[in-house]
Amino acid sequence: GENVEQHPSTLSVQEGDSAVIKCTYSDSASNYFPWYKQELGKRPQLIIDIRSNVGEKKDQRIAVTLNKTAKHFSLHITETQPEDSAVYFCAASKGYGGATNKLIFGTGTLLAVQP
Amino acid sequence: GAVVSQHPSRVICKSGTSVKIECRSLDFQATTMFWYRQFPKKSLMLMATSNEGSKATYEQGVEKDKFLINHASLTLSTLTVTSAHPEDSSFYICSASLGTTTGELFFGEGSRLTVL
Repeated sequence: GENVEQHPSTLSVQEGDSAVIKCTYSDSASNYFPWYKQELGKRPQLIIDIRSNVGEKKDQRIAVTLNKTAKHFSLHITETQPEDSAVYFCAASKGYGGATNKLIFGTGTLLAVQP
Repeated sequence: GAVVSQHPSRVICKSGTSVKIECRSLDFQATTMFWYRQFPKKSLMLMATSNEGSKATYEQGVEKDKFLINHASLTLSTLTVTSAHPEDSSFYICSASLGTTTGELFFGEGSRLTVL
């Protein structure tokens, strides 16, 4: 089955700096790659996603890149703010037009933005 | 749209008792829902896929007799933790999708179970 690895496990940056989180996946049939932000005790919130037919997607300060050949994708947050501090999870599924939306999560990255 | 609601948000029970957690899709029909478990400071581990009108599909290592899943309608799936033990204490989260066209899943608020 699918296996998703995520690095780093913790990341501390200064306010205004950029943050990059990387993930790799094992199943070449995966075609949907979302990123979630989770605050303590809360549900995961989708912040951006990318499908396998696209190499890059951007939404204001957040961008995601996908390299299908290498089977890895990355989250980029620019101009970080203290409210960006949270745990970020990458995930992968075959849910884009596929038979299942079963989502497999990475191990998570605790991002701390220092004021 | 696409709101998923989970109940209860917190539950405390004694060892040996059973606890039921409900997951509802409020404004859409979900033929498939997913149940996840999350330990403190850990990732979300997929437990099972809940299919409306049929048996759930459990992930490897998840005891189906321990974690009973019922998906009796297109808007409701339930997870029952049977004969709960302290090691079952965890954060349980359900999710549902509008279908497989987009891939996006919507998550419930989560249920924190504490077994004494």
